This record gives sequence, C-alpha cells and structure tokens, in this order.
Amino acid sequence: EDQVTQSPEALRLQEGESSSLNCSYTVSGLRGLFWYRQDPGKGPEFLFTLYSAGEEKEKERLKATLTKKESFLHITAPKPEDSATYLCAVRSGTASKLTFGTGTRLQVTL
Amino acid sequence: EPEVTQTPSHQVTQMGQEVILRCVPISNHLYFYWYRQILGQKVEFLVSFYNNEISEKSEIFDDQFSVERPDGSNFTLKIRSTKLEDSAMYFCAGGPWDNEQFFGPGTRLTVL
Repeated sequence: EDQVTQSPEALRLQEGESSSLNCSYTVSGLRGLFWYRQDPGKGPEFLFTLYSAGEEKEKERLKATLTKKESFLHITAPKPEDSATYLCAVRSGTASKLTFGTGTRLQVTL
Repeated sequence: EPEVTQTPSHQVTQMGQEVILRCVPISNHLYFYWYRQILGQKVEFLVSFYNNEISEKSEIFDDQFSVERPDGSNFTLKIRSTKLEDSAMYFCAGGPWDNEQFFGPGTRLTVL
C-alpha cells in the first residue's frame, strides 16, 4: 500500500526566509509524485509532477526535487501570498488514484 | 484559462436522503475522478472514470455510491442514502491524460 508522510505539519516563516518542505513516500513502482497547493475551503491547485529521481521543476519561488525515497519543495524568499497548505501525492503501478499526505500548513508573515 | 467547476458549492441534506454532486470538467479532459476530504483529514480517492466506465474505486466507494457522465459533459457522483460520516468536501478532478489531475473547487456536503 502506498504511503506518503509530510513534514513538518506546520511551518511559520518570515517574508524572505527560505525553507524546504519534505515528502517521504513508499510505493511499489512510482508513476509520478505530485505537489499541490490548497487554500482553506478550496480544491487542490496543481503545482508539479515529478517522475524520476534527480528530476527538478521550478515555478516562481517554488522548486520541487525528487529522490528515490523523498521529495522536497523548496520555497525561496517566500511572500505572504505563499501561505497555504502544500500537499504531496503519489501515483504507483497501474493505479489511477493519487494517495495524498496530510500536508504542510505554511504561514508566511511580514 | 478553463477550470473544473462543481455545483452546488454547499449541500445540506438529511441522513438517509439521496444527493447528486455535479462536476463540469474541462472539455479536453478524458479521465475523471472523485475524491473527498473530511474536515482536518487527508484527501481520499473515491473513484476514477474513463471511457464511460469505472476504472478504479476505493473501499469507500461502496454500493451507496455511483458515478455517471450522462450527457458527455457533466460528471456526477450520487450517494443513495447519506450517512453522517459522508459529511466532507467532495472534489471532482479531471485530466487530458492519466498522469494529470486538475481539481475543482469542491462541494461541501453536510449530512444532518
């Protein structure tokens, strides 16, 4: 059974203070690792899909990396509008479903 | 940029009643999904749908649940006899291929 563990549960940063969120996973045959952003009361917003170890993707202040056991979401010089819950999910084997972690709740203050 | 839409945004129902949640995927989407998120918990997979049939379902998706795409645009989730524990946010997702899933804004279902 696929498992996804995210840490920390919550993170408070000051504007401009860079940091990383961690997603550890256990799957049988990774088909994709997904990062989403979720604002309160909203649906998950797609950020990235990573497929193989060593792959990196960037979008504005966010950069996602992937190893064989974990993924990191690096946030460089965050702004208050980056405050949200960041969700990690995996897809494995022939399954179509995504298995989600519990998320990291990020708060960026002035 | 087109987005997945869902209606209603909030549905309140009595235990034992039937509810239908509706989703309009983006026109080029071929793969469709329903997920739910109980307050404070993980997003959980319910069912995937491709080529007018269910391709995968979770243990949550029992005989009380059904999905259909009746008119080629709307994608619906029906819960036949709601229970208190069905209260959650229900998200529709879709994608043009099976490794992209774009989520809608969700329907908050409250069962009293």
